[in-house]
Amino acid sequence: DAKTTQPNSMESNEEEPVHLPCNHSTISGTDYIHWYLQLPSQGPEYVIHGLTSNVNNRMASLAIAEDRKSSTLILHRATLRDAAVYYCILRDPWSNFGNEKLTFGTGTRLTIIP
Amino acid sequence: GEEVAQTPKHLVRGEGQKAKLYCAPIKGHSYVFWYQQVLKNEFKFLISFQNENVFDETGMPKERFSAKCLPNSPCSLEIQATKLEDSAVYFCASSQRGEGDTEAFFGQGTRLTVV
Repeated sequence: DAKTTQPNSMESNEEEPVHLPCNHSTISGTDYIHWYLQLPSQGPEYVIHGLTSNVNNRMASLAIAEDRKSSTLILHRATLRDAAVYYCILRDPWSNFGNEKLTFGTGTRLTIIP
Repeated sequence: GEEVAQTPKHLVRGEGQKAKLYCAPIKGHSYVFWYQQVLKNEFKFLISFQNENVFDETGMPKERFSAKCLPNSPCSLEIQATKLEDSAVYFCASSQRGEGDTEAFFGQGTRLTVV
């Protein structure tokens, strides 16, 4: 699996936008970029995914660099409930005969300052 | 159901005892994955199923770990003769399809403590 690199931790003020970066310089042409978050004492939760174009959903936006070697998860207005560990994961739909496990890195621990 | 249900939430076993964890995937989801989270952020993939068939078991310590997903029953992960190093949170996830553009839904986990 292609690897991702994320900062270990980030802080942000409440009600301000948060930009969580992820580097994936060895991404293949068919890898999807997925983001999951994990709240304390909970299971991971899907946030968003994309392939080439930027994506928006009710939770967040995903900005993908033109060369796809990096991406940024954007939380438009941070709340205290957004404090979590955020994982950037690459998944290849064509590998493993279509049954691709998620390969987690160490993620970014996001702290929100009231 | 609409969520992945894992039981029990907590499990304490003495070293050498057996531990059995259960996972009910979301109805209609054909793919089930088990992960082990030992340190706070580090996940290890254990095994995946497509319906009742083992698909990928490359992460399983086979001498003590086994898993099943039988029709009309919750999936299970069993650890024979637990060791202290098996202490971890075990997460089950399910997805409708197995492809890489598919969302996976996780349960709340089972915290196993081996004493």
